[in-house]
Amino acid sequence: GAVVSQHPSRVICKSGTSVKIECRSLDFQATTMFWYRQFPKQSLMLMATSNEGSKATYEQGVEKDKFLINHASLTLSTLTVTSAHPEDSSFYICSADNRDGTDTQYFGPGTRLTVL
Amino acid sequence: LAKTTQPISMDSYEGQEVNITCSHNNIATNDYITWYQQFPSQGPRFIIQGYKTKVTNEVASLFIPADRKSSTLSLPRVSLSDTAVYYCLVGESNNQGGKLIFGQGTELSVKP
Repeated sequence: GAVVSQHPSRVICKSGTSVKIECRSLDFQATTMFWYRQFPKQSLMLMATSNEGSKATYEQGVEKDKFLINHASLTLSTLTVTSAHPEDSSFYICSADNRDGTDTQYFGPGTRLTVL
Repeated sequence: LAKTTQPISMDSYEGQEVNITCSHNNIATNDYITWYQQFPSQGPRFIIQGYKTKVTNEVASLFIPADRKSSTLSLPRVSLSDTAVYYCLVGESNNQGGKLIFGQGTELSVKP
């Protein structure tokens, strides 16, 4: 149980285009999902908390107009990188909380974004 | 949010027991301690979680002293496939879902 999927696993796009990444909790409902970014040889950096039915909460320094988050249902959150540039190239990972009150988050496999 | 401190890297050999200690001096009463494992280009994988004393599952043990200001992840008889980055996290525990902040992690290298 507690499986989280991401789609796509890898995407290459041209500079200036927008890219949407989906995060799904497959066997549990998640009112809260989290989005992280990870650069090579670095730790995960929390970008935002995605709340079902309400606006996402962004961490300091993360542009909300650049990284659009939509938590449309209890099993799906999407991250859209708008007008992507090469510096947005990174590994994007989502996680979902299983809501048992123990902070156990289950992570997706990640999406490798390369902006040319 | 409690800040965690771990060794940046550790080396071990196959078959040895590996203990990774994490300091979290500012842990709050409601915080749980969770350890994750991450392989390159993959999302972190949950290993073990505890609140106090000792927790054991099929892959690891977690030792937490009474003051909860540190914790030790113990991996028995490591193999080459245990080479990964290990993260210790403490987070808020509430019904809306706890926010976790990742530290540097410990890069474990297991050699033959």
